[in-house]
Formats: sequence, structure tokens, C-alpha cells
Amino acid sequence: AQSVSQHNHHVILSEAASLELGCNYSYGGTVNLFWYVQYPGQHLQLLLKYFSGDPLVKGIKGFEAEFIKSKFSFNLRKPSVQWSDTAEYFCAVNAISGGYNKLIFGAGTRLAVHP
Amino acid sequence: EAGVTQFPSHSVIEKGQTVTLRCDPISGHDNLYWYRRVMGKEIKFLLHFVKESKQDESGMPNNRFLAERTGGTYSTLKVQPAELEDSGVYFCASSQGPGPPFFGEGSRLTVL
Repeated sequence: AQSVSQHNHHVILSEAASLELGCNYSYGGTVNLFWYVQYPGQHLQLLLKYFSGDPLVKGIKGFEAEFIKSKFSFNLRKPSVQWSDTAEYFCAVNAISGGYNKLIFGAGTRLAVHP
Repeated sequence: EAGVTQFPSHSVIEKGQTVTLRCDPISGHDNLYWYRRVMGKEIKFLLHFVKESKQDESGMPNNRFLAERTGGTYSTLKVQPAELEDSGVYFCASSQGPGPPFFGEGSRLTVL
């Protein structure tokens, strides 16, 4: 069965620190990869996605993620976090080609950014 | 444009009672999904509608859960009778064609 593992459940950073959230998935075939974010009191929003092509994907709000197929990883990065990045971040995989059906999510990482 | 709306935002019921959650997708979105997050764990897929048809219901936990989408518009998810382990946040999402799903804010269910 496919699964997604997020390495850290809680991350605490100071503003301007660099961020890297780990995500590994288990599936041997072609995958689509996603990062979603849920800000306090809001709905889940898509940060970025990878379907094919350049393995370095740029998303909204300065986030990027790199797909490393050999490591089954899709880590999320941001060079300098802001207080407003405080949120919960979810990595997700879809092993069905061509779309977003039946996303498999990780358990989420809560990020707290202190001013 | 209105997003995906879910009702109620929070429901507290006793074990054995019935609860019905409602999801109004974005207008024109044929795809509608239900997901559930239990106790801070991963968000798990429950089922997928395409219009009024169930495309994939492999994630439905058991026959106490019934999802409907009459007319291909809004959807309801009924839990009857509710058990303690059904507590969690139920998310609805909708999408059109190959586009990304847009999620609602979730309905939190607490079963006492």
C-alpha cells in the first residue's frame, strides 16, 4: 500500500531561519506529488505540485520542493520563513496518473515561527 | 467565487446517535471528495464522486457511513450509528476536470 511519511511532527523556527520539511513516500511507480498547507482557522490550500519535468518545483509564497526519485523524497523548502508561515503542512501523493484522485496524505508537520 | 462550504463546522453527539455532514462544492465542479482526519493523524481518503456517481468508495470505513450526492450538486455524509472512533475532522473537496481539488474548512465531529 502507498504511504507518505513526514519526518517531523512539530518544527519551531525563528523568523528568517531556513526551512526544510521532509517527505518520503512508498510507491514504486509513477507518482504525482503535492504539498498542502492549512493556516490556523482556514482550509487546506495547495502550495505546489509535481507531475513531471523539472524536479525542482516552485510554489506560492516562496516555497519550493525537490523531487528526488531515487530517494522517494519530496522535501519542502523555504530560504527564509516569516511569522505568517505558521501553519500545518501536508505532503501528499497520488499514484493514479493524470490527476488528483485519491490523494494519500502524510500525518502533517506543524510549523511555528516565532518573531 | 464561493469556495467549498461544509456544515456544520462542529458537531458534538453521543455514541449511537446519527449525524449528517453536508458539503456544497464549488459550482460546476463534477468531482467531489470526502476525506477524514482522526486525532492528528494523516488525512485519509474516504470516497470520490463524479457528478452523482460514486467513482471510488474504497476508503469508507464501514457500512455505518453513507455518502450521497443527489443531482450531482451538494453531498451528504451520514454516520449512523456514530461510534467513538468516528471522531475527527471530515474534509470535503471539489475539482473540475484535471484541476486541483479545493478543500473546505472541514466539519469537526466529536462523539462522546
